[in-house]
Amino acid sequence: SQQGEEDPQALSIQEGENATMNCSYKTSINNLQWYRQNSGRGLVHLILIRSNEREKHSGRLRVTLDTSKKSSSLLITASRAADTASYFCATLNQTGANNLFFGTGTRLTVIP
Amino acid sequence: DTEVTQTPKHLVMGMTNKKSLKCEQHMGHRAMYWYKQKAKKPPELMFVYSYEKLSINESVPSRFSPECPNSSLLNLHLHALQPEDSALYLCASSQVFEGETQYFGPGTRLLVL
Repeated sequence: SQQGEEDPQALSIQEGENATMNCSYKTSINNLQWYRQNSGRGLVHLILIRSNEREKHSGRLRVTLDTSKKSSSLLITASRAADTASYFCATLNQTGANNLFFGTGTRLTVIP
Repeated sequence: DTEVTQTPKHLVMGMTNKKSLKCEQHMGHRAMYWYKQKAKKPPELMFVYSYEKLSINESVPSRFSPECPNSSLLNLHLHALQPEDSALYLCASSQVFEGETQYFGPGTRLLVL
């Protein structure tokens, strides 16, 4: 029961370039979160943006949220080989339950 | 301590075996979660515990039985699993309030033969 769709499914860039990943979701949300997962490992929380926010920054990360289009984007600037991972958006429904629905994910490869 | 630990890291079991996965956190979180993740797929929620009580069961087969013995521990008891249950099982924890960041453990990679 995935709620989010992400594109691209896979992205390969050179070190130093910027990487942009997009997430679309289907229902109203309280917030949207982005997580990173190195191959076969646990997920690490990157950033949370609330439904009343439009843009948020954290280090080399920039997240935007457009609730009218039900979409979000994650921009990683000046990418590094260590950024190679899968990136998932996750939304929390406005049902009051604390359950996250993860998007399909973008597999990012940064070539040194 | 912002770590969620899971044991074992790897588990191979037959379809008639009974085994348990364990998860522990010491962040004072009162919400704990089990997710199942197949290869190249996103995590899918299985169970949510809130204040040590099961609050969400996402229609998971009864061969998976969760248990929350105290606020720091979460177990997943496995019995009579099928090969299609082979996956990465992730535990997470968070504050109970809506939309809080979830902290994930490294997962248990399960292979059912």
